[in-house]
Amino acid sequence: AQSVTQLGSHVSVSEGALVLLRCNYSSSVPPYLFWYVQYPNQGLQLLLKYTSAATLVKGINGFEAEFKKSETSFHLTKPSAHMSDAAEYFCAVSHFGNEKLTFGTGTRLTIIP
Amino acid sequence: ETGVTQTPRHLVMGMTNKKSLKCEQHLGHNAMYWYKQSAKKPLELMFVYSLEERVENNSVPSRFSPECPNSSHLFLHLHTLQPEDSALYLCASSQDATVTNTEAFFGQGTRLTVV
Repeated sequence: AQSVTQLGSHVSVSEGALVLLRCNYSSSVPPYLFWYVQYPNQGLQLLLKYTSAATLVKGINGFEAEFKKSETSFHLTKPSAHMSDAAEYFCAVSHFGNEKLTFGTGTRLTIIP
Repeated sequence: ETGVTQTPRHLVMGMTNKKSLKCEQHLGHNAMYWYKQSAKKPLELMFVYSLEERVENNSVPSRFSPECPNSSHLFLHLHTLQPEDSALYLCASSQDATVTNTEAFFGQGTRLTVV
């Protein structure tokens, strides 16, 4: 079985501050990991994905995530928050042999002006 | 049009009504999916179609009936729904349902309210 846990259903940061959204995964085999973003009244859009290549993955809009096997984590970061980053962020996991994406419950990011 | 398009964007229906949700993808993908997104719950995968054949049905009640007439179109037929079925229904597509790290492209969703 595979699962992801997103710590913190709501995160607020000031504009220009560091964004850190946490994701821990559980998988008995090497995972593939994804971060998706959902803007209000929109579907989900892929930010970045880890597929067993480089452990530091760069995505769109200045986001990046680092795969840490020892910590079973795949936290999403951005050095400087922008007002347009306000959205809901979902971590997801899959692995070879189980093609389904398993999503976390999401983290709503609020940017404080 | 490009990407994944869902219609309608909003739907209010009574418990005895019959309605259908439509999804269309213009990406040339072979796999299409229905997800249910409820407040404070993880996205729930409902159905998976690969090359127009249903390959996954995650114990979804029979009041939800999917249809995939071709690789570009996916429907979700709704009948005798319950208030707890109110949610955002998301359609997605991917190049291939059997390739694990393939990216899924999502539509904007249909916000369904059952009264």
